[in-house]
Amino acid sequence: DGGITQSPKYLFRKEGQNVTLSCEQNLNHDAMYWYRQDPGQGLRLIYYSQIVNDFQKGDIAEGYSVSREKKESFPLTVTSAQKNPTAFYLCASTWDGESGNTIYFGEGSWLTVV
Amino acid sequence: GENVEQHPSTLSVQEGDSAVIKCTYSDSASNYFPWYKQELGKRPQLIIDIRSNVGEKKDQRIAVTLNKTAKHFSLHITETQPEDSAVYFCAATGTGFQKLVFGTGTRLLVSP
Repeated sequence: DGGITQSPKYLFRKEGQNVTLSCEQNLNHDAMYWYRQDPGQGLRLIYYSQIVNDFQKGDIAEGYSVSREKKESFPLTVTSAQKNPTAFYLCASTWDGESGNTIYFGEGSWLTVV
Repeated sequence: GENVEQHPSTLSVQEGDSAVIKCTYSDSASNYFPWYKQELGKRPQLIIDIRSNVGEKKDQRIAVTLNKTAKHFSLHITETQPEDSAVYFCAATGTGFQKLVFGTGTRLLVSP
């Protein structure tokens, strides 16, 4: 778990602004994920990436965008199109994304709209 | 796609009692079922997992059982301790690329 670094830990967004959450891992994992967690709720998949330069939409991708230019990095941009972005965002990674491999989470980023 | 339901949403027990959390899943192709523990404001931590070729797995005070026919799996915690208090999430994923689908969580409170 210690190999996944998310920043910032707390972020405030004004209406109409785009913000980017950083996720870096030094575990040499191929697969990376972004999940959103609302208070008292489970985790929902936003985007995932199986390899560099490739990513796919998850269940709630609208209003978000990602890139995967480097193996170790998978930043998430919350755009102004996301109308209710206040949530806890978790980045995760795993060895190659094949079923049964442990998924490890970063420490999370709290995003609040002000 | 996969859908995972988790019950109960809250569970209060006395220290030393056992706790059981149950999840059901919809996709019969799912073959990997991890359980995560999340303390307030922190990241989920894997506590135990089970694969579809196994019916039960134990790790000290924690055990998970899987019933593929009924499509449900359960987390069992024995001799509960106050430090077991947290939110527990079950998850499921199928073959191919792993995309975990999570349950809605169970808040476990262990009272001394």
